[in-house]
Amino acid sequence: SQKIEQNSEALNIQEGKTATLTCNYTNYSPAYLQWYRQDPGRGPVFLLLIRENEKEKRKERLKVTFDTTLKQSLFHITASQPADSATYLCARGGSQGNLIFGKGTKLSVKP
Amino acid sequence: DSGVTQTPKHLITATGQRVTLRCSPRSGDLSVYWYQQSLDQGLQFLIQYYNGEERAKGNILERFSAQQFPDLHSELNLSSLELGDSALYFCASSVEGAIGGTDTQYFGPGTRLTVL
Repeated sequence: SQKIEQNSEALNIQEGKTATLTCNYTNYSPAYLQWYRQDPGRGPVFLLLIRENEKEKRKERLKVTFDTTLKQSLFHITASQPADSATYLCARGGSQGNLIFGKGTKLSVKP
Repeated sequence: DSGVTQTPKHLITATGQRVTLRCSPRSGDLSVYWYQQSLDQGLQFLIQYYNGEERAKGNILERFSAQQFPDLHSELNLSSLELGDSALYFCASSVEGAIGGTDTQYFGPGTRLTVL
């Protein structure tokens, strides 16, 4: 089956460090991947989209990479802050315009 | 604020009952999506509507149905409720939702359904 997986359920880091979250896909080649942030009890919020022909995309302290050889996308938050603590979701396009989400990685940034 | 509204915020009901969740998309968005999120399953796609027509179906049970009205608001109907239907239900909207498209989806605040 065409899977999208976020291998780490949780990631704990110290404030000021770079957080790196991983999204892997198998058995297909997505044309793009999207990353969302979700706070507890709230709806996901779009952060970044990266296409398969883009190696890297940046937005302020956020950076996303797309490695079609490794079938992997990495999501980085530099100079992390406690306010960055949330669950981060990776998503690929479904067959009909919908999105298929990974289960997410819960990031905790400690002061 | 995403611009997507959902009502009610919370819903507590009993097994066997029927409930209706309502969603108003962002102004100008034609596609509406419904997702279910439970602790063990993550965010599961249920169904998508585009400009009043059903476009895509995901893991939606036969006890669940949805529709999108001419004013583009959508309703998700859940019937013969079971304990396992307790979850957060999110609505999202996007401009087009075209096949192979890259629309950003804007999510509402969700409806928390508790079935007792």
